[in-house]
Amino acid sequence: DAKTTQPTSMDCAEGRAANLPCNHSTISGNEYVYWYRQIHSQGPQYIIHGLKNNETNEMASLIITEDRKSSTLILPHATLRDTAVYYCIVRVTNYGQNFVFGPGTRLSVLP
Amino acid sequence: GAGVSQSPRYKVAKRGQDVALRCDPISGHVSLFWYQQALGQGPEFLTYFQNEAQLDKSGLPSDRFFAERPEGSVSTLKIQRTQQEDSAVYLCASSQPGQGADGYTFGSGTRLTVV
Repeated sequence: DAKTTQPTSMDCAEGRAANLPCNHSTISGNEYVYWYRQIHSQGPQYIIHGLKNNETNEMASLIITEDRKSSTLILPHATLRDTAVYYCIVRVTNYGQNFVFGPGTRLSVLP
Repeated sequence: GAGVSQSPRYKVAKRGQDVALRCDPISGHVSLFWYQQALGQGPEFLTYFQNEAQLDKSGLPSDRFFAERPEGSVSTLKIQRTQQEDSAVYLCASSQPGQGADGYTFGSGTRLTVV
């Protein structure tokens, strides 16, 4: 079954880019990688997702390696409000709606 | 409503009590999910509904856990004879059918503490 690994925690200075890596070496060829974040006492919030190509939206950019075994979420100009736990998630199997979150990366944006 | 609503926000139960946690999904969202989040961990999948049909309950940890969605809108997660290991935040999410995880909207969860 697919799963992900991420660093436990990271720090980033306010205004700088935050680069959050994720390893998903067992992902199936047609499965997307999704990124969510969870601010304290709230439910997870969708950020971005991708399959093969790099993606960008108003919140972040997603860089996926050519072999699709890893990806990096980029917050280009981190603010204090970006302090949260960031999860990279994939489907457990290549069917169904069971997505595995893992423990995520706790990002602290420092003033 | 504008988002997924869960109630109660906090619940304290004595060990052995039964509890019922409610989820009001976004109006019109066909798919509904329950996740369990232990302290310091990521959410773990419990079960999934499409309308009133429970299509996947593979994540329910024991037969003490039961979920229902009888009219295809509001859902209730029931835990019988609660144990201390059931203490967690229970998250509900809803989405339109055919969407992947990019379409999930999560509620703020119910924090269950079993004493």
